[in-house]
Amino acid sequence: EDQVTQSPEALRLQEGESSSLNCSYTVSGLRGLFWYRQDPGKGPEFLFTLYSAGEEKEKERLKATLTKKESFLHITAPKPEDSATYLCAVHPNTGGFKTIFGAGTRLFVKA
Amino acid sequence: NAGVTQTPKFQVLKTGQSMTLQCAQDMNHNSMYWYRQDPGMGLRLIYYSASEGTTDKGEVPNGYNVSRLNKREFSLRLESAAPSQTSVYFCASSLMVEQPQHFGDGTRLSIL
Repeated sequence: EDQVTQSPEALRLQEGESSSLNCSYTVSGLRGLFWYRQDPGKGPEFLFTLYSAGEEKEKERLKATLTKKESFLHITAPKPEDSATYLCAVHPNTGGFKTIFGAGTRLFVKA
Repeated sequence: NAGVTQTPKFQVLKTGQSMTLQCAQDMNHNSMYWYRQDPGMGLRLIYYSASEGTTDKGEVPNGYNVSRLNKREFSLRLESAAPSQTSVYFCASSLMVEQPQHFGDGTRLSIL
């Protein structure tokens, strides 16, 4: 069964304290892996797309990496405005369109 | 630039009532989607429309119907609302299926 698991469920950091969020996936082939950011009361906002193992993407303090079984979202020297829920989504290589979202990691960054 | 607009933002229904959630996008995207988001669970796809004139079931289609009215608009209908359909509903669009999706800010629906 196709599955996406994000860990930890919640992460509390001090401002400047770097860390990583994990997205593990079990799918029958990968068409693409997506990272989104979601603020309270808002819809998810697209951050990155990764397609193949070894690929990396960067944007400001965020860097996403991909292996054959998981993806990491590295946050370097986070600021309070990075506080949000980060969602991982996978498009498996099935006959039709399918998208599987993880439950997300809630990140809190304290000043 | 509005992006994806959903109406209404909040709604309370009684069991058995019907309702249509509206979604419109102004990015000239071909594909549109409806999701529901429940606490502790990931977003789950209800229906999607890969292109104007087509609709397909997602992971949790039971109890819902959709209409792709034109390229811009994609509506979700609950014919006979049930308490299990209490959720936050998100509409999204993308240039093509499997491209990054742009989301609206959701409709918070409570069914008593």
